[in-house]
Amino acid sequence: EVQLVESGGGLVQPGGSLRLSCVASGFTFRSYSMNWVRQAPGKGLEWVSYISSSSRTIHYADSVKGRFTISRDNAKNSLFLEVTGLRDGDTAVYYCATMTPSLVLEYWGQGTLVTVSS
Amino acid sequence: QSVLTQPPSVSAAPGQRVTISCSGSTSNIGNNYVSWYQQLPGTAPKLLIYDNNERPSGISDRFSGSKFGTSATLGITGLQTGDEADYYCGAWDSSLNAVIFGGGTKLTVL
Repeated sequence: EVQLVESGGGLVQPGGSLRLSCVASGFTFRSYSMNWVRQAPGKGLEWVSYISSSSRTIHYADSVKGRFTISRDNAKNSLFLEVTGLRDGDTAVYYCATMTPSLVLEYWGQGTLVTVSS
Repeated sequence: QSVLTQPPSVSAAPGQRVTISCSGSTSNIGNNYVSWYQQLPGTAPKLLIYDNNERPSGISDRFSGSKFGTSATLGITGLQTGDEADYYCGAWDSSLNAVIFGGGTKLTVL
C-alpha cells in the first residue's frame, strides 16, 4: 500500500522558516517524480513545486520561487520542502504527491498544516 | 486565479447524472493529459480520473472523463449523497512548467 506521510508544519511568524518532510513507503520512491501542492483554508488546490526522480529537474510556482527549495533523499525515501521568508499567504495545508510519467498527481499524503501568523 | 476554469458549484438529485466542465488552453489541456480529483470534506484530494478518461483501480465506473480540444468533462452517474465533495481538474502546463488546477466545483446532492 502506498503511503505518504508529511510532517514539519506548525505555527511560524512572518519571515520565518520551516522544513517540511514527506516519507514514502509502499512503492519504489527513487523511480517517481514528486510534487508539493498546498491548499489555503477554504480555498482550492495550488501546485507548489516539482522534482524529478533524479533531482535533475526542479520547477517552482512563481508565488514561491526564490523562497522555497524542494529536495529529496532517495536512500531515505524522503521528500523535503524548505520554506523561508514565510508570508501570511503561505498559510495552507501542504501535501506531497507522486507523479506518473503522464504528469498526473497520483497518490497524496494527508498533509501538514503551516500557519503563518504573528 | 486558476488557469483552468470550472463552475463553482453543481447540484443534482440522488440517482441523477451530473457533468462538470473544465476549460483550458493549448498549453495545458490541449496538449497534455487531464486528471480529476475528488476531495471529500476534511480529507486529502484523491485521484479520480487520469490520462483524460482512465479510472484508477477501485474507482467506481459511475465516474467518467472525456476531453475535446482544450476542454474536459467529468461525468458522474447514479449520484449518491457520498459523492458530495469538491472536484478539481488538473493538467500540466507546458508553458508554465507547472501543474495547474481548476478552481474547484462543489457538488451538492440534493
